Amino acid sequence: NAGVTQTPKFRVLKTGQSMTLLCAQDMNHEYMYWYRQDPGMGLRLIHYSVGEGTTAKGEVPDGYNVSRLKKQNFLLGLESAAPSQTSVYFCASTSGNEQFFGPGTRLTVL
Amino acid sequence: QKEVEQDPGPLSVPEGAIVSLNCTYSNSAFQYFMWYRQYSRKGPELLMYTYSSGNKEDGRFTAQVDKSSKYISLFIRDSQPSDSATYLCAIRGNTGKLIFGQGTTLQVKP
Repeated sequence: NAGVTQTPKFRVLKTGQSMTLLCAQDMNHEYMYWYRQDPGMGLRLIHYSVGEGTTAKGEVPDGYNVSRLKKQNFLLGLESAAPSQTSVYFCASTSGNEQFFGPGTRLTVL
Repeated sequence: QKEVEQDPGPLSVPEGAIVSLNCTYSNSAFQYFMWYRQYSRKGPELLMYTYSSGNKEDGRFTAQVDKSSKYISLFIRDSQPSDSATYLCAIRGNTGKLIFGQGTTLQVKP
């Protein structure tokens, strides 16, 4: 099993550009999450999904959209990137009490 | 006040030392308490979790929860250079979502 994978691993955007981050899991988990991690801030929840076709807002959802069209995939979109969205983005999926994390995507917005 | 507070460190200790990492939380309804370890440029991975109050031991690691003080701890005995990482406490609230502390960066020097 590959576990949780994320693409791309790195990306540099200019202000106002859009992009989509892809998260895929092969563990048949129902719950999936998108976090951002910034220095001194820990992991903050952006959006999450409790199953295929469902999404919900987390702690810091502004400026992001998500979709869960297939159970194994969870997409995070930035419609108009801003420098404040420079961060490391982690996807996770849940089995019971354990969240399995992907390797992260480092995004820089200039 | 943040729901989970954790001293970001950094914490530097010599090899073989006993390490104590701590978090405080504000909501007495929390039941599940977790510690994640994150190596540099990697995703977090679950180290230990405990339910309600008490201790849980796994090799050199001991997780402790004191619900009366709203205080959770992770102890590392005989610390090794390979333990150098960021340690994140996390608490699962009633909604099922995890709330993370800021993370403590630990360096174990040989």
